[in-house]
Amino acid sequence: AQKITQTQPGMFVQEKEAVTLDCTYDTSDPSYGLFWYKQPSSGEMIFLIYQGSYDQQNATEGRYSLNFQKARKSANLVISASQLGDSAMYFCAMGLMDSSYKLIFGSGTRLLVRP
Amino acid sequence: SAVISQKPSRDICQRGTSLTIQCQVDSQVTMMFWYRQQPGQSLTLIATANQGSEATYESGFVIDKFPISRPNLTFSTLTVSNMSPEDSSIYLCSVEGQPGADTQYFGPGTRLTVL
Repeated sequence: AQKITQTQPGMFVQEKEAVTLDCTYDTSDPSYGLFWYKQPSSGEMIFLIYQGSYDQQNATEGRYSLNFQKARKSANLVISASQLGDSAMYFCAMGLMDSSYKLIFGSGTRLLVRP
Repeated sequence: SAVISQKPSRDICQRGTSLTIQCQVDSQVTMMFWYRQQPGQSLTLIATANQGSEATYESGFVIDKFPISRPNLTFSTLTVSNMSPEDSSIYLCSVEGQPGADTQYFGPGTRLTVL
């Protein structure tokens, strides 16, 4: 069965520093995608970054990068130069490459950026 | 990415009543998804709605409780029927980013409180 695990319920980071949010996954399917979403207090889900299981290079999107270690089944999100606006819930998700396109979400990590 | 709107953005309802949530997309999409996020929890997929076919429900969700319509490629509704306080959640619709693409984009969500 597919599963996403986020072991950090909450994280603190000082403004302008980098922070890593952990995510591990479990699947027997060779084809999958890994996603990170940000959910501010308003409740919307904001797509941040995507990594395909066959991608050779780690994905990057501006200040976000995904540290993909396939053998360890981990897909950690790195946020560089943290900003106060980065304070939010962060969810890791796995998408199945079958026809369902379903997303399975982890439990989330609440990030608080300190000034 | 598609622009997705949801109505209502929030509502407070009485036990035993029903609420229909609308999801509108600014472009045609094949697949639309409905998720539930209970307070302090992660997202759980309720069902997948494809135009022209019956919605596919996940384990634990039934059509009588969460009927879904998908009359065209830009619109879907989710009804929460015979509500109880346990139905208090954020309900989010999502769509595929591009036909066959992996990324899903989410609407702003509907925050439902059942008294």
